[in-house]
Amino acid sequence: QKEVEQDPGPLSVPEGAIVSLNCTYSNSAFQYFMWYRQYSRKGPELLMYTYSSGNKEDGRFTAQVDKSSKYISLFIRDSQPSDSATYLCAMTSSYNTDKLIFGTGTRLQVFP
Amino acid sequence: DAMVIQNPRYQVTQFGKPVTLSCSQTLNHNVMYWYQQKSSQAPKLLFHYYDKDFNNEADTPDNFQSRRPNTSFCFLDIRSPGLGDAAMYLCATSRRRDNNPYEQYFGPGTRLTVT
Repeated sequence: QKEVEQDPGPLSVPEGAIVSLNCTYSNSAFQYFMWYRQYSRKGPELLMYTYSSGNKEDGRFTAQVDKSSKYISLFIRDSQPSDSATYLCAMTSSYNTDKLIFGTGTRLQVFP
Repeated sequence: DAMVIQNPRYQVTQFGKPVTLSCSQTLNHNVMYWYQQKSSQAPKLLFHYYDKDFNNEADTPDNFQSRRPNTSFCFLDIRSPGLGDAAMYLCATSRRRDNNPYEQYFGPGTRLTVT
């Protein structure tokens, strides 16, 4: 079993839709959770960073962590064609903070 | 703008011919990472430096080596590339402070083709 599971998609939605991207994980020691966006042939860029459980909002993006279920989500409101990219979740524990464990990424396409 | 720069962006090498990929950063971060990412897969950490301290992942093949001559630069050497080493190689940096994790900033990547 992989430490982090993420549905690879692709997920195709119309412009303006609410998008939900999810990851599950198996290691209960994970405390820090991140979402990266990766455009085709580019490096990942950090979108959201949360610690432990709860929600965090930044503009159209909301990150949610449910540690009891070992489940994290990224919501995108009013999705735009420019949101078309691969979204990678990543996480780490407090005892090995140098090492991020990534999901395989979900490819999102937002069509006009 | 402060950033992570990787050169070249595209590299073609022959089977078994050594190749070096380079990464530089203007962020003055003390940690630098090298990842390998194959199509539709998660980035796989190869190794990282915390200052001059080198940390190799247990499953990184001996074929992969790294050098960090100073804070700003880090190199990935592939001694004898095989066809299976064709991938995107990502360099990332971060600034360790206390024991809290911190954002990793990625470069644009070098896409390696092995012929």
